Amino acid sequence: DTGVSQNPRHKITKRGQNVTFRCDPISEHNRLYWYRQTLGQGPEFLTYFQNEAQLEKSRLLSDRFSAERPKGSFSTLEIQRTEQGDSAMYLCASSARHTSYEQYFGPGTRLTVT
Amino acid sequence: GQQLNQSPQSMFIQEGEDVSMNCTSSSIFNTWLWYKQDPGEGPVLLIALYKAGELTSNGRLTAQFGITRKDSFLNISASIPSDVGIYFCAGPSGTYKYLFGTGTRLKVLA
Repeated sequence: DTGVSQNPRHKITKRGQNVTFRCDPISEHNRLYWYRQTLGQGPEFLTYFQNEAQLEKSRLLSDRFSAERPKGSFSTLEIQRTEQGDSAMYLCASSARHTSYEQYFGPGTRLTVT
Repeated sequence: GQQLNQSPQSMFIQEGEDVSMNCTSSSIFNTWLWYKQDPGEGPVLLIALYKAGELTSNGRLTAQFGITRKDSFLNISASIPSDVGIYFCAGPSGTYKYLFGTGTRLKVLA
């Protein structure tokens, strides 16, 4: 068990560019979550996958955001036409079916939009 | 909407002291989770509580699920420098959605 991994750890991009982040959950976990965390705040829920199905999306997830989890394994989060307000830490978490409330987080991807 | 308010927002304590913090909600929760986050890292799950009145320990940490189901408490005994960080409470706020609190920032003075 290597834990949840996220890549890249840091991303600096110019406003208007597209970025994509990857999350690899714990291998036996079928549930995957994306969160966004800004400085001084707790994580805010963005979206949830159960296997490959995206079952819930927050209103925070504007049309510029899209997430996928092909084959129910790793997941990607894409932000199109980035804005300075998108600068944040993007966290991924996974959980197992039988302990679904216990989410295990990755180290996050820190996005800076200049 | 639902909010989880944590108190205190921050605290400075001396090494060896006990620490108490709490989390309150405007609505009932069926599960309480406590996480610790170090700078630049993701939150790490400390304790999960599933039943009103439940008291659960993890080493020097003890958490309680309030009997009103609208609050939870975390205590750290005999604090050490590595306890420094931000402590978050969290709970399910829908079928799949989770809500995190505002955080308590702990600093331990050696």
